[in-house]
Amino acid sequence: GAVVSQHPSWVICKSGTSVKIECRSLDFQATTMFWYRQFPKQSLMLMATSNEGSKATYEQGVEKDKFLINHASLTLSTLTVTSAHPEDSSFYICSARDYRDRGTEAFFGQGTRLTVV
Amino acid sequence: EDKVVQSPLSLVVHEGDTVTLNCSYEVTNFRSLLWYKQEKKAPTFLFMLTSSGIEKKSGRLSSILDKKELFSILNITATQTGDSAVYLCAVHGSSNTGKLIFGQGTTLQVKP
Repeated sequence: GAVVSQHPSWVICKSGTSVKIECRSLDFQATTMFWYRQFPKQSLMLMATSNEGSKATYEQGVEKDKFLINHASLTLSTLTVTSAHPEDSSFYICSARDYRDRGTEAFFGQGTRLTVV
Repeated sequence: EDKVVQSPLSLVVHEGDTVTLNCSYEVTNFRSLLWYKQEKKAPTFLFMLTSSGIEKKSGRLSSILDKKELFSILNITATQTGDSAVYLCAVHGSSNTGKLIFGQGTTLQVKP
């Protein structure tokens, strides 16, 4: 199946710093990518929909100035957690869909575990 | 508001048992329902269901969708310890962007 690569797989940062997470579709082009957040023992919560060449669509309650999303090409979306705080510590996962595929299966990246100290 | 509800939230069984996981949904303009298995990291795809009454099968796992009653079940027969994971149900609904709405997940623990 299609491959989505997410990097880094884990990161520890100090409070107040920013962290960038990359999501790449390796063997297909994705006009749309999705960023999810998952707290321990909870399900995936959609944060935003990343659209190639245009602004991301954020879900209600997600601060767009804190979670900056850039989708500059058909194979790369980035999520930057700005001025990170300990409460931002979580598991962040991206997913992507092949724009040519009218089906609805989404392929997930490996996830990034962010710890803010 | 689109909603996906899974039950039970957690389940403990012994190897060899059969389990049934449930997923009900309320979604505008239903397109498909997907099941994923999540172990330590990102979810891995199991099934995608779009039509009622057609069972999808993969080894000991099977799933079926009822679009009239708005639910799906995931069956696992002859469970093994390697089946221990969180099983996530997701629905692709009103948005045509491919956005998925996830349920809370069912945590399955299979004891030897």
